Amino acid sequence: QITLKESGPTPLKPTETLTLTCTFSGFSLTNAGVGVGWFRQTPGKAPEWLALIFWDEDKRYRPSLKNRLTITKDTSKNQVVLTMTNMDPVDTGTYFCAHYNGYNSLFQFWGQGSLVTVSS
Amino acid sequence: EIVLTQSPGTLSLSPGERAALSCRASQSISVAYLVWYQQKPGQAPRLLIYGASNRATGIPDRFSGSGSGTDFTLTISRLEPEDFAVYYCQQKDGSSWTFGQGTKVEMK
Repeated sequence: QITLKESGPTPLKPTETLTLTCTFSGFSLTNAGVGVGWFRQTPGKAPEWLALIFWDEDKRYRPSLKNRLTITKDTSKNQVVLTMTNMDPVDTGTYFCAHYNGYNSLFQFWGQGSLVTVSS
Repeated sequence: EIVLTQSPGTLSLSPGERAALSCRASQSISVAYLVWYQQKPGQAPRLLIYGASNRATGIPDRFSGSGSGTDFTLTISRLEPEDFAVYYCQQKDGSSWTFGQGTKVEMK
């Protein structure tokens, strides 16, 4: 059974750096074709893809946020970490991590989400 | 960037009725990369349909997907009370993923 859970500090102040951790079980990020992605969602809006890291350390970022995002993995801990610099109140929302199946390009299993609030 | 436009924004229907949700792409996309999710308040998106027409594991057969090119449809043949939710289409373009803005299916 694949499960994922997001964790991270909140609230944040503007200009601070967000560090979110996705802790997962039921799969290994050393297996070919596997990845973990991050999404965010503000109330009433569609989810927005942010970043993806593959089993082989390949990484992809949302072009408009590329300069602010870093995604890393720790396979020994079954964790993926997303950092986002220079946080702003508009970055407030729920952040999700999800398992990625590279063979069918699917994000099928999602975490419950972590609410991140940015406020002065 | 490929833009996905969903319509209608809100669909007001009664249990037992049929729902047809549209997702239109700004340019032709591969059916292999067209996905539909269901999302309920306070929950993560739930994968319903992948490859435009394939039901994900455990998804009831009242859900079906169709379409190609730029026009895709999610159909719920007979709405059950648990189907009232927001539905999103999503596509993969190179190494980037985008969603439509969603269709809310609400109880009439």
